[in-house]
Amino acid sequence: DAGVIQSPRHEVTEMGQEVTLRCKPISGHNSLFWYRQTMMRGLELLIYFNNNVPIDDSGMPEDRFSAKMPNASFSTLKIQPSEPRDSAVYFCASSSPLAGGTDTQYFGPGTRLTVL
Amino acid sequence: QQPVQSPQAVILREGEDAVINCSSSKALYSVHWYRQKHGEAPVFLMILLKGGEQMRHEKISASFNEKKQQSSLYLTASQLSYSGTYFCGTLGGSGGYQKVTFGIGTKLQVIP
Repeated sequence: DAGVIQSPRHEVTEMGQEVTLRCKPISGHNSLFWYRQTMMRGLELLIYFNNNVPIDDSGMPEDRFSAKMPNASFSTLKIQPSEPRDSAVYFCASSSPLAGGTDTQYFGPGTRLTVL
Repeated sequence: QQPVQSPQAVILREGEDAVINCSSSKALYSVHWYRQKHGEAPVFLMILLKGGEQMRHEKISASFNEKKQQSSLYLTASQLSYSGTYFCGTLGGSGGYQKVTFGIGTKLQVIP
């Protein structure tokens, strides 16, 4: 398996522009997570999907952020309009349940976003 | 709440041992440990379950003290390849909802 695939790997944009990050989870995984990583706050969970349905979006910073999962093999995270404080590495991770109700998350390579 | 990791950073010489601690203010169902090398994605190391045994990944082992709501990661005879940032993630409550909250990380550097 190719693992979790994210695109683009790097994105540089200007303040006010729309940014769309893409993720393809591992085939067969039914949970998908979007994280944001910064030096100050570490890994923050933005949103969690289970079977394509958003379960917890309490981590989404504000209305400028939105995420969709139209099918089991694709998800997007959109920022509109983008701001310099959105600069971070955004990771997508997927998982499948193991016996006992816990699972391992497999992370994609991340998208490094820079908003000028 | 975000679990608290200590120390925040540590430098070791090859062959030395280290312990990284992770504590939570909430009752825990499981603790997850991940390692992230510079510029790469976090990679799963191990999960410790409530009532479970101590786990091991190569020469790295971990324990989970449910009563104290703490987990410790033990790196024995460290190798250069151990360098990276170690994150603990905690899953609270019944475990039915798969939300893991990660600590800020412990940066480990192993030098020759």
